[in-house]
Amino acid sequence: AQSVAQPEDQVNVAEGNPLTVKCTYSVSGNPYLFWYVQYPNRGLQFLLKYITGDNLVKGSYGFEAEFNKSQTSFHLKKPSALVSDSALYFCAVSLTGGGNKLTFGTGTQLKVEL
Amino acid sequence: EAGVTQFPSHSVIEKGQTVTLRCDPISGHDNLYWYRRVMGKEIKFLLHFVKESKQDESGMPNNRFLAERTGGTYSTLKVQPAELEDSGVYFCASSQDPGTRTGELFFGEGSRLTVL
Repeated sequence: AQSVAQPEDQVNVAEGNPLTVKCTYSVSGNPYLFWYVQYPNRGLQFLLKYITGDNLVKGSYGFEAEFNKSQTSFHLKKPSALVSDSALYFCAVSLTGGGNKLTFGTGTQLKVEL
Repeated sequence: EAGVTQFPSHSVIEKGQTVTLRCDPISGHDNLYWYRRVMGKEIKFLLHFVKESKQDESGMPNNRFLAERTGGTYSTLKVQPAELEDSGVYFCASSQDPGTRTGELFFGEGSRLTVL
């Protein structure tokens, strides 16, 4: 069985500071990894994905994530946080051979304050 | 281009009643997914349609849930009879190509179901 863990329910960071939202996964085979974001009263939006190749992937709104196979992690990062980044972030993994069927983590609420 | 739309945005019903949620995917997307998030927990897969056919319904909780996608366009998810534990946010998503695992899903805003 595959699973995704987001160990932090909430992350607080000051605007302008770097942010990290943590994600670890467990899956048989090579994982396809995703980050989605949910802004208030909106649906989930795709941020970025890791399929293969360079371990550092860049996505929308200045976000990036680093795939670390040995640590089975896919942490989301941004060098300088904005108040508008405040939202709920979900990490997800695609099942081997499972098309786009995603297994999600429980989500991390990011709060960026002035 | 219109995104994935879901209706209703919020439904409050009593235990034992019936509710039907509707999802209109992005035009041309053959793949349609239903997911559910119970308060504070992970978003869980319910089922996957390819056009009008159920490709994978392994996440459906029990036989009180019935999903349809007549004609391969919009989809409905009926809960009958609803129980308290069915409360949550039901998300619909669509995509063009599931086979490669490289495409992202496009999600709707979700339908919040509250069962009293």
